[in-house]
Amino acid sequence: QVQLQQSGPGLVKPSQTLSLTCAISGDSVSNSGATWDWIRQSPSRGLEWLGRTYYRSNWNNNYTESLKSRITIKPDTSKNQFSLQLNSVTPEDTAVYYCARLLAATGTFDCWGQGTLVTVSS
Amino acid sequence: DIVMTQSPDSLAVSLGERATINCKSSQSVLYSPNNKNYLAWYQQKPGQPPKVLIYWASTRESGVPDRFSGSGSGTDFTLSISSLQPEDVAFYYCQHSYNLPYTFGQGTNLEIK
Repeated sequence: QVQLQQSGPGLVKPSQTLSLTCAISGDSVSNSGATWDWIRQSPSRGLEWLGRTYYRSNWNNNYTESLKSRITIKPDTSKNQFSLQLNSVTPEDTAVYYCARLLAATGTFDCWGQGTLVTVSS
Repeated sequence: DIVMTQSPDSLAVSLGERATINCKSSQSVLYSPNNKNYLAWYQQKPGQPPKVLIYWASTRESGVPDRFSGSGSGTDFTLSISSLQPEDVAFYYCQHSYNLPYTFGQGTNLEIK
């Protein structure tokens, strides 16, 4: 049974960096049949896919265009986890952030973290 | 980006009655090489992450009750709940994985009438 456990602060000051980690149990971040994604949810934007990291002979990343200049998603194979960093945050980045596994064969997010409400405020 | 548009935004159905939610994509999500529609449906209850119900437009995820069914192809899709149960009160979202960026519909709030 795959489980994703998120950790990270719930409050970030404007202009600072949002950092979240997603620890994986029951699967490997190097699984070539999956991608490891971050999604956020807010009343104004709904569910918004942010980006992913995945291994296919080498490590790859993809990010949503609007955040490309501010976002980094990285795997950590030694701890079997992956992370999200979002720089220069503003109040518009306030949302519930989820990590999720996408199965490449079906294209579905079949496993999600518990969610972290991140508030951007001074 | 593919825009996913759901209708209605909210829906109230009596217990035991049928609920139907529609989802329209701005371009086809049918992948010709394998003839599969990369369209999934999720259920989300308050304080919980979304849970996948249906993938490939009509394949039920393991463990999902058979009162949930999906249909459609190309750009028009439907999620049906054949006999509404109290535990089905939730938000429902469609999502495509045809290409990047993956996008979700705005959600449908399903309530009991």
